[in-house]
Amino acid sequence: SYELTQPPSVSVSPGQTATITCSGDKLGDKYVCWYQQKPGQSPVLVIYQDTKRPSGIPERFSGSNSGNTATLTISVTQAMDEADYYCQAWDSLTAVFGGGTKLTVL
Amino acid sequence: EVQLVESGGGLVQPGGSLRLSCAASGFTFSSYAMTWVRQAPGKGLEWVSAISGGGGSTYYADSVKGRFTISRDNSKNTLYLEMNSLRAEDAAAYYCGRDDSSIAAAGPVEYWGQGTLVTVSS
Repeated sequence: SYELTQPPSVSVSPGQTATITCSGDKLGDKYVCWYQQKPGQSPVLVIYQDTKRPSGIPERFSGSNSGNTATLTISVTQAMDEADYYCQAWDSLTAVFGGGTKLTVL
Repeated sequence: EVQLVESGGGLVQPGGSLRLSCAASGFTFSSYAMTWVRQAPGKGLEWVSAISGGGGSTYYADSVKGRFTISRDNSKNTLYLEMNSLRAEDAAAYYCGRDDSSIAAAGPVEYWGQGTLVTVSS
Protein backbone atom coordinates (compact mmCIF):
# COMPACT_ATOMS: atom_id res chain seq x y z
CA SER A 1 0.00 0.00 0.00
CA TYR A 2 1.09 3.55 -0.65
CA GLU A 3 2.79 5.42 2.15
CA LEU A 4 3.48 9.08 2.90
CA THR A 5 6.28 9.92 5.29
CA GLN A 6 6.50 13.12 7.32
CA PRO A 7 8.99 14.16 10.01
CA PRO A 8 7.35 13.77 13.44
CA SER A 9 8.30 17.26 14.53
CA VAL A 10 9.62 20.56 13.23
CA SER A 11 10.60 23.58 15.30
CA VAL A 12 10.78 27.16 14.12
CA SER A 13 11.30 30.56 15.69
CA PRO A 14 8.60 33.19 15.30
CA GLY A 15 9.04 35.18 12.10
CA GLN A 16 11.15 32.49 10.48
CA THR A 17 10.21 30.06 7.71
CA ALA A 18 8.93 26.59 8.56
CA THR A 19 9.29 23.76 6.08
CA ILE A 20 7.44 20.47 6.41
CA THR A 21 8.11 17.66 3.98
CA CYS A 22 6.02 14.74 2.81
CA SER A 23 7.66 11.90 0.92
CA GLY A 24 6.19 9.15 -1.21
CA ASP A 25 7.02 7.16 -4.29
CA LYS A 26 6.53 9.37 -7.38
CA LEU A 27 4.51 11.75 -5.23
CA GLY A 28 5.05 14.48 -7.80
CA ASP A 29 2.71 12.60 -10.13
CA LYS A 30 -0.14 13.02 -7.66
CA TYR A 31 -1.96 15.99 -6.21
CA VAL A 32 -1.11 16.66 -2.58
CA CYS A 33 -3.09 18.59 -0.03
CA TRP A 34 -2.22 19.71 3.48
CA TYR A 35 -4.32 20.01 6.61
CA GLN A 36 -3.69 21.92 9.81
CA GLN A 37 -5.09 20.56 13.06
CA LYS A 38 -4.88 22.37 16.37
CA PRO A 39 -5.45 20.53 19.67
CA GLY A 40 -9.09 19.67 20.23
CA GLN A 41 -10.14 20.99 16.82
CA SER A 42 -11.09 19.49 13.47
CA PRO A 43 -8.58 19.61 10.62
CA VAL A 44 -8.51 22.62 8.30
CA LEU A 45 -7.49 22.44 4.64
CA VAL A 46 -4.59 24.85 4.05
CA ILE A 47 -3.23 23.71 0.66
CA TYR A 48 -4.79 21.66 -2.15
CA GLN A 49 -3.67 20.58 -5.62
CA ASP A 50 -0.06 20.99 -4.46
CA THR A 51 0.01 24.79 -4.43
CA LYS A 52 -3.48 26.30 -4.10
CA ARG A 53 -4.76 28.03 -0.99
CA PRO A 54 -8.44 27.89 -0.01
CA SER A 55 -10.07 31.22 0.65
CA GLY A 56 -9.26 32.50 4.10
CA ILE A 57 -5.88 30.81 4.34
CA PRO A 58 -3.07 33.35 4.78
CA GLU A 59 -0.61 33.90 1.96
CA ARG A 60 2.24 32.81 4.21
CA PHE A 61 1.13 29.22 3.57
CA SER A 62 2.48 27.78 0.31
CA GLY A 63 3.10 24.37 -1.17
CA SER A 64 5.13 22.58 -3.78
CA ASN A 65 5.40 19.05 -5.09
CA SER A 66 8.05 17.47 -7.27
CA GLY A 67 9.76 14.14 -7.61
CA ASN A 68 9.15 12.16 -4.45
CA THR A 69 8.62 15.09 -2.09
CA ALA A 70 5.89 17.59 -1.38
CA THR A 71 6.64 20.56 0.83
CA LEU A 72 4.50 22.86 2.94
CA THR A 73 6.17 26.18 3.63
CA ILE A 74 5.00 28.65 6.21
CA SER A 75 6.78 31.98 5.88
CA VAL A 76 6.95 34.49 8.73
CA THR A 77 5.65 31.81 11.07
CA GLN A 78 3.41 32.99 13.86
CA ALA A 79 2.61 31.45 17.23
CA MET A 80 -0.90 30.71 15.95
CA ASP A 81 0.60 28.38 13.33
CA GLU A 82 1.65 25.91 16.01
CA ALA A 83 -0.31 22.76 15.16
CA ASP A 84 -0.14 19.31 13.63
CA TYR A 85 0.11 19.23 9.86
CA TYR A 86 -0.90 16.32 7.66
CA CYS A 87 -0.25 15.74 3.98
CA GLN A 88 -2.68 13.68 1.93
CA ALA A 89 -2.73 12.18 -1.54
CA TRP A 90 -4.83 9.70 -3.51
CA ASP A 91 -3.51 6.37 -4.72
CA SER A 92 -5.64 3.75 -6.46
CA LEU A 93 -8.87 5.36 -5.27
CA THR A 94 -7.66 5.32 -1.69
CA ALA A 95 -6.78 8.41 0.30
CA VAL A 96 -3.50 8.25 2.15
CA PHE A 97 -2.47 10.56 4.98
CA GLY A 98 1.03 11.16 6.17
CA GLY A 99 1.72 10.43 9.82
CA GLY A 100 1.60 14.11 10.71
CA THR A 101 4.17 16.69 11.77
CA LYS A 102 3.95 18.64 14.99
CA LEU A 103 5.07 22.21 14.31
CA THR A 104 6.40 23.96 17.39
CA VAL A 105 6.90 27.72 17.28
CA LEU A 106 9.40 28.76 19.95
CA GLU B 1 -22.25 28.66 5.73
CA VAL B 2 -21.30 25.01 5.33
CA GLN B 3 -22.16 22.99 8.41
CA LEU B 4 -21.54 19.31 9.07
CA VAL B 5 -22.81 17.80 12.29
CA GLU B 6 -21.95 14.21 13.16
CA SER B 7 -23.92 12.09 15.58
CA GLY B 8 -24.34 8.49 16.60
CA GLY B 9 -21.06 7.86 18.35
CA GLY B 10 -20.87 6.11 21.68
CA LEU B 11 -19.74 3.04 23.56
CA VAL B 12 -20.13 -0.31 21.83
CA GLN B 13 -18.85 -3.77 22.66
CA PRO B 14 -16.37 -5.56 20.39
CA GLY B 15 -18.29 -7.24 17.61
CA GLY B 16 -21.12 -4.77 17.90
CA SER B 17 -22.58 -2.29 15.43
CA LEU B 18 -23.11 1.44 15.26
CA ARG B 19 -24.48 3.86 12.68
CA LEU B 20 -23.00 7.32 12.40
CA SER B 21 -24.87 10.18 10.77
CA CYS B 22 -23.68 13.49 9.39
CA ALA B 23 -26.26 16.21 8.84
CA ALA B 24 -25.20 18.70 6.21
CA SER B 25 -26.42 22.22 5.54
CA GLY B 26 -25.37 25.39 3.77
CA PHE B 27 -24.70 23.81 0.36
CA THR B 28 -26.31 21.64 -2.31
CA PHE B 29 -25.62 18.28 -0.69
CA SER B 30 -26.06 16.13 -3.80
CA SER B 31 -23.42 18.13 -5.67
CA TYR B 32 -20.55 17.05 -3.47
CA ALA B 33 -18.78 13.84 -2.63
CA MET B 34 -18.49 13.12 1.07
CA THR B 35 -15.83 11.45 3.16
CA TRP B 36 -15.35 9.83 6.55
CA VAL B 37 -11.98 10.20 8.29
CA ARG B 38 -11.14 8.88 11.74
CA GLN B 39 -8.54 9.70 14.35
CA ALA B 40 -7.67 7.41 17.23
CA PRO B 41 -6.84 9.22 20.50
CA GLY B 42 -3.41 10.80 20.22
CA LYS B 43 -2.90 9.43 16.71
CA GLY B 44 -2.97 10.74 13.17
CA LEU B 45 -5.71 10.98 10.59
CA GLU B 46 -6.92 7.84 8.82
CA TRP B 47 -9.18 7.91 5.77
CA VAL B 48 -12.13 5.55 6.12
CA SER B 49 -14.51 5.89 3.19
CA ALA B 50 -15.85 8.18 0.49
CA ILE B 51 -19.02 8.39 -1.60
CA SER B 52 -19.80 10.33 -4.76
CA GLY B 53 -22.38 13.08 -4.88
CA GLY B 54 -25.02 10.84 -6.41
CA GLY B 55 -24.15 7.92 -4.16
CA GLY B 56 -23.32 5.58 -7.02
CA SER B 57 -19.62 5.26 -6.25
CA THR B 58 -18.22 4.23 -2.90
CA TYR B 59 -14.68 3.62 -1.69
CA TYR B 60 -13.25 2.07 1.46
CA ALA B 61 -9.98 1.70 3.30
CA ASP B 62 -8.78 -1.89 3.44
CA SER B 63 -9.04 -1.75 7.24
CA VAL B 64 -12.84 -1.37 7.11
CA LYS B 65 -13.78 -3.00 3.81
CA GLY B 66 -16.52 -5.57 4.30
CA ARG B 67 -17.42 -4.24 7.75
CA PHE B 68 -18.37 -0.61 7.13
CA THR B 69 -20.89 0.77 4.64
CA ILE B 70 -21.09 4.39 3.57
CA SER B 71 -24.35 5.74 2.20
CA ARG B 72 -26.20 9.01 1.78
CA ASP B 73 -29.75 10.26 1.59
CA ASN B 74 -29.71 13.32 -0.62
CA SER B 75 -33.35 14.07 0.18
CA LYS B 76 -32.39 14.41 3.84
CA ASN B 77 -28.94 15.99 3.30
CA THR B 78 -27.47 13.27 5.46
CA LEU B 79 -24.41 11.05 5.20
CA TYR B 80 -24.18 7.72 7.02
CA LEU B 81 -21.57 5.23 8.09
CA GLU B 82 -22.84 1.81 9.12
CA MET B 83 -20.18 0.07 11.18
CA ASN B 84 -20.39 -3.64 11.92
CA SER B 85 -18.10 -6.17 13.59
CA LEU B 86 -16.42 -3.35 15.48
CA ARG B 87 -12.96 -3.92 16.89
CA ALA B 88 -10.92 -2.16 19.55
CA GLU B 89 -8.82 -0.58 16.82
CA ASP B 90 -11.91 1.11 15.36
CA ALA B 91 -12.15 3.34 18.43
CA ALA B 92 -11.63 6.90 17.28
CA ALA B 93 -13.17 10.25 16.61
CA TYR B 94 -15.00 9.99 13.29
CA TYR B 95 -15.15 13.11 11.14
CA CYS B 96 -17.36 13.61 8.14
CA GLY B 97 -16.10 15.90 5.45
CA ARG B 98 -17.29 17.54 2.27
CA ASP B 99 -15.07 17.10 -0.74
CA ASP B 100 -14.47 19.85 -3.28
CA SER B 101 -16.45 18.21 -6.11
CA SER B 102 -19.08 15.58 -6.81
CA ILE B 103 -16.40 13.08 -7.73
CA ALA B 104 -15.26 10.93 -4.83
CA ALA B 105 -11.75 9.62 -4.32
CA ALA B 106 -10.23 12.55 -6.14
CA GLY B 107 -9.95 15.78 -4.19
CA PRO B 108 -9.37 17.22 -0.76
CA VAL B 109 -11.77 17.40 2.16
CA GLU B 110 -12.73 21.04 2.01
CA TYR B 111 -14.95 21.19 5.10
CA TRP B 112 -14.94 19.08 8.25
CA GLY B 113 -17.45 18.36 10.97
CA GLN B 114 -16.58 18.46 14.65
CA GLY B 115 -16.38 14.67 14.94
CA THR B 116 -18.19 12.02 16.95
CA LEU B 117 -16.39 9.67 19.31
CA VAL B 118 -16.66 5.91 19.00
CA THR B 119 -15.44 3.78 21.88
CA VAL B 120 -15.16 0.02 21.47
CA SER B 121 -14.80 -1.76 24.78
CA SER B 122 -16.35 -4.54 26.80
